[in-house]
Amino acid sequence: SQQGEEDPQALSIQEGENATMNCSYKTSINNLQWYRQNSGRGLVHLILIRSNEREKHSGRLRVTLDTSKKSSSLLITASRAADTASYFCATATNNAGNMLTFGGGTRLMVKP
Amino acid sequence: ETGVTQSPTHLIKTRGQQVTLRCSSQSGHNTVSWYQQALGQGPQFIFQYYREEENGRGNFPPRFSGLQFPNYSSELNVNALELDDSALYLCASSLKGATEAFFGQGTRLTVV
Repeated sequence: SQQGEEDPQALSIQEGENATMNCSYKTSINNLQWYRQNSGRGLVHLILIRSNEREKHSGRLRVTLDTSKKSSSLLITASRAADTASYFCATATNNAGNMLTFGGGTRLMVKP
Repeated sequence: ETGVTQSPTHLIKTRGQQVTLRCSSQSGHNTVSWYQQALGQGPQFIFQYYREEENGRGNFPPRFSGLQFPNYSSELNVNALELDDSALYLCASSLKGATEAFFGQGTRLTVV
């Protein structure tokens, strides 16, 4: 079963626009992480936000976390064609924070 | 490149057969996790190994088993293969207590 659900399932935007993806989860978490996957290959870690944090930035990425609503969002600003990929949120519920439960992902297409 | 390598990259097996997938962790990482990703879905946690012992397990039947070796490399074994076992199998290594996981490129298993 999947802890997180991403919304939307697919997103198509023009280069330069912002892309926002949302994730909802069901249980209490240690942290929430966002990963990127190109063409069904390996996952690349993008950013981690802990349960006691509300917002985090990394380059063009901005992540928010609302534990009262059990939801998170990932914002990619000034998107590029190279950002085309699937994006997954993953929650960690164990103390070490490294046993991950993934959502179904958002497939982002950025058109040049 | 994450430094996590998986072999083979692709594999075709017949229903009922057994398969072994291999993973070499990033240097210094002592924890290995395995995930199954069906087409169009997010990865699902199979199990995690730390210091050669199973450290946590997802909702997978006993015919999914694993090993971790003293050099922290790992194997995933699946017995009595079923058609639904067709998926991308991902290995991730991390340090015990660290939250970021580094994923390999995966092994795509097709069961016919």
